[in-house]
Amino acid sequence: EPEVTQTPSHQVTQMGQEVILRCVPISNHLYFYWYRQILGQKVEFLVSFYNNEISEKSEIFDDQFSVERPDGSNFTLKIRSTKLEDSAMYFCASNPSTDTQYFGPGTRLTVL
Amino acid sequence: QKEVEQNSGPLSVPEGAIASLNCTYSDRGSQSFFWYRQYSGKSPELIMSIYSNGDKEDGRFTAQLNKASQYVSLLIRDSQPSDSATYLCAVNGGSNYKLTFGKGTLLTVNP
Repeated sequence: EPEVTQTPSHQVTQMGQEVILRCVPISNHLYFYWYRQILGQKVEFLVSFYNNEISEKSEIFDDQFSVERPDGSNFTLKIRSTKLEDSAMYFCASNPSTDTQYFGPGTRLTVL
Repeated sequence: QKEVEQNSGPLSVPEGAIASLNCTYSDRGSQSFFWYRQYSGKSPELIMSIYSNGDKEDGRFTAQLNKASQYVSLLIRDSQPSDSATYLCAVNGGSNYKLTFGKGTLLTVNP
């Protein structure tokens, strides 16, 4: 069964450094998302991506964040200058233009 | 601000019992409702979706939706220790199919 994959599973970085989190959505899906979950808190929507552009973003998704779909398979989230409060699990999800979203296993980002 | 509220728990039930999980949402325009299960340190895993008022059954799981009361519930029959996890209620009412999650209810099933 196809699944969403994410790399790396765990990323440790120093404050102020740039990180890129990578996702491979399910191949025939059309909508792509990034969510984050700070430890002990709820899963929060960051951004949705459709037809090669951002379709919606939350207040969290400020200028330090960007997303790209550099080729036909990868979907990336870049954080330009990481802060301590960016430490969280980041989940990629995709859907085939239905309501059902399929989540990847997540990347744990630790900012020191 | 669209909100999804859940009792954080923990909810503790004995093995074989029925576990009842509840969720309320603030946006009356919400159209689709989901229950996800999340084990510690893992990603959300879809259990059930429900779109219309009433009950929807899938194996040991039953989702219930009452749009007038803005209320969604999940019943787990014959609870097993492997059901011990955090259960997330999620709602989708807008464009782009984005999900708004509740904080989740921690369920513990005791052998």
